[in-house]
Amino acid sequence: NAGVMQNPRHLVRRRGQEARLRCSPMKGHSHVYWYRQLPEEGLKFMVYLQKENIIDESGMPKERFSAEFPKEGPSILRIQQVVRGDSAAYFCASSPSWESGTEAFFGQGTRLTVV
Amino acid sequence: AQTVTQSQPEMSVQEAETVTLSCTYDTSESNYYLFWYKQPPSRQMILVIRQEAYKQQNATENRFSVNFQKAAKSFSLKISDSQLGDTAMYFCAFMKQWGNNDMRFGAGTRLTVKP
Repeated sequence: NAGVMQNPRHLVRRRGQEARLRCSPMKGHSHVYWYRQLPEEGLKFMVYLQKENIIDESGMPKERFSAEFPKEGPSILRIQQVVRGDSAAYFCASSPSWESGTEAFFGQGTRLTVV
Repeated sequence: AQTVTQSQPEMSVQEAETVTLSCTYDTSESNYYLFWYKQPPSRQMILVIRQEAYKQQNATENRFSVNFQKAAKSFSLKISDSQLGDTAMYFCAFMKQWGNNDMRFGAGTRLTVKP
């Protein structure tokens, strides 16, 4: 059973370009979480999705950021018109259900560098 | 809102010795979950240990154990017989019992095990 797969591992974008980060959850997991980790900081919650639904996006910046988890295919975190401050590691986690306390399994992250 | 504080940005320990990492949190919830995650240089987030707040018994996993003091809102991690492979960032995390299963992380403690 493959773990949570994120790609690419490293992504370089120029200011103003778009960044697309992909996350394939573990098999059987229908809940996906995105976190952002700035250098020397902990992970900050961004968004929680179930298949075709955004459940909680309270940690997402209001502009330029969007996320989706379609019925088929990976979850996508999309950042439009990237700026230097978007440079960070973005982690995806998945869990099998909404039952309270369910452990989430993390991918290895995508390190986004904006130049 | 829940906050998690790790007051030790960096720590070091000699191989085979014991080290304790501190974590405090603030919440008005009565039931919740607490976690310690390890992040080695590979950036993979690895669950080390987990504690349910309604359980009085401290969780243990081999060389890792916690000291959970609910009244003091303290959740420290003790690593016994430290090994070189324990060198990593360690993050404390909080999850509400009734919520979306998203976690709130501390800023982390960088642990170095010296030979």
